[in-house]
Amino acid sequence: KAGVTQTPRYLIKTRGQQVTLSCSPISGHRSVSWYQQTPGQGLQFLFEYFSETQRNKGNFPGRFSGRQFSNSRSEMNVSTLELGDSALYLCASSLDISPPKQYFGPGTRLTVT
Amino acid sequence: AQSVTQLGSHVSVSEGALVLLRCNYSSSVPPYLFWYVQYPNQGLQLLLKYTSAATLVKGINGFEAEFKKSETSFHLTKPSAHMSDAAEYFCAVTYGGATNKLIFGTGTLLAVQP
Repeated sequence: KAGVTQTPRYLIKTRGQQVTLSCSPISGHRSVSWYQQTPGQGLQFLFEYFSETQRNKGNFPGRFSGRQFSNSRSEMNVSTLELGDSALYLCASSLDISPPKQYFGPGTRLTVT
Repeated sequence: AQSVTQLGSHVSVSEGALVLLRCNYSSSVPPYLFWYVQYPNQGLQLLLKYTSAATLVKGINGFEAEFKKSETSFHLTKPSAHMSDAAEYFCAVTYGGATNKLIFGTGTLLAVQP
């Protein structure tokens, strides 16, 4: 089975621009979560989607948004980029069982200049 | 608010020595607990998870962790460190229910000296 894939792997953007990151979960997984990893704040939960519905949201400004498609693929969008948005963005997918076993993708490294 | 504390942001051991990485959670309700490992420029890989079935949990690569409710701890151990164990390790909790949200500790960077 293919793992979680994230595209692109690396991205450089300018302050004020917007960016869209993509995540393809493992086949059969309907739950997708997004995390931001920075040296200062560590790993922080952004949001979680299940069957195209946002099920949970972290404490991030409205510039951060996401969505999930009917094939469970997910995208996250960051508008009006700030320097502090530079981070590794990780996507994780899981079956909707408790407790969850989340499988992480390799991440997208976003650099904002 | 629920939180996870990892004592020691950097731990250095000699090859062949015991590895002990500490994790404490704050919650009156025992959560589900996980240990993840992250190698440079990679995502997170699940090492092991505690789901209340057994207090001593064995994971991959020879790692294990013991859940101690009285100490609200879930420390990760490995009897003999290998050079390939050098990586960053994260403890995480989730409370199940209608969310898969993970709360992570700040991570411990493990260095293994030859």
